[in-house]
Amino acid sequence: EVQLVESGGGSVQPGGSLRLSCAASGFTLSAYWMSWVRQAPGKGLEWVATIKEGGSDKYYVDSVKGRFTISTDNAKNLMSLQINSLRAEDTAVYYCARSTMDVWGQGTTVTVSS
Amino acid sequence: QAGLTQPPSVSKGLRQTATLTCTGNDNNIGNQGAVWLQQHQGHPPKALSYRNNNRPSGISERFSASRSGSTASLTITGLQPEDEADYYCSAWDTILTVWVFGGGTKLTVL
Repeated sequence: EVQLVESGGGSVQPGGSLRLSCAASGFTLSAYWMSWVRQAPGKGLEWVATIKEGGSDKYYVDSVKGRFTISTDNAKNLMSLQINSLRAEDTAVYYCARSTMDVWGQGTTVTVSS
Repeated sequence: QAGLTQPPSVSKGLRQTATLTCTGNDNNIGNQGAVWLQQHQGHPPKALSYRNNNRPSGISERFSASRSGSTASLTITGLQPEDEADYYCSAWDTILTVWVFGGGTKLTVL
């Protein structure tokens, strides 16, 4: 079964850091473009970052450039999102998705509050 | 990073047909087509259609996607109570190299 499972969310203070993970099963993650998408409470979906197959190119929404880093670990079939310098407006459920957007994880919640 | 345009809400009666629209430009929908997602409250998004209107396995044939130029459409026939949800469209913008999303359409089944 093709599946994505996120982990690593939590509550942090402004300026803090977290590392989100997305474990893939049923397919080889490195063969696909993969993305992170977030959803703030009561809001719509917002694309955050995408990594091309093989990790050669990475793309980010302007608001996270320089603070977020997307990466993959092919040996573990795992994608990660390192999020630094967290702001209140980063509070959201973070989803990983295969980049045809056909497969989604269940999400992990990040709360940034003092 | 401009998004795609969706009507905020659509209301239709039980067993009727709803057509949801999503407007982009030549660099996103006009070039790559759109993905359609369904999201029920408190649940993750679920793909209804992706890449050239392919329907994932397990998705009802009542859901069908199409495209005309830079506007994508999702048609839902024989509306059921469980179709009441938020529907999002998304597309890869080949010039901006970003995924763009619509603001979502809340479908109400009367």
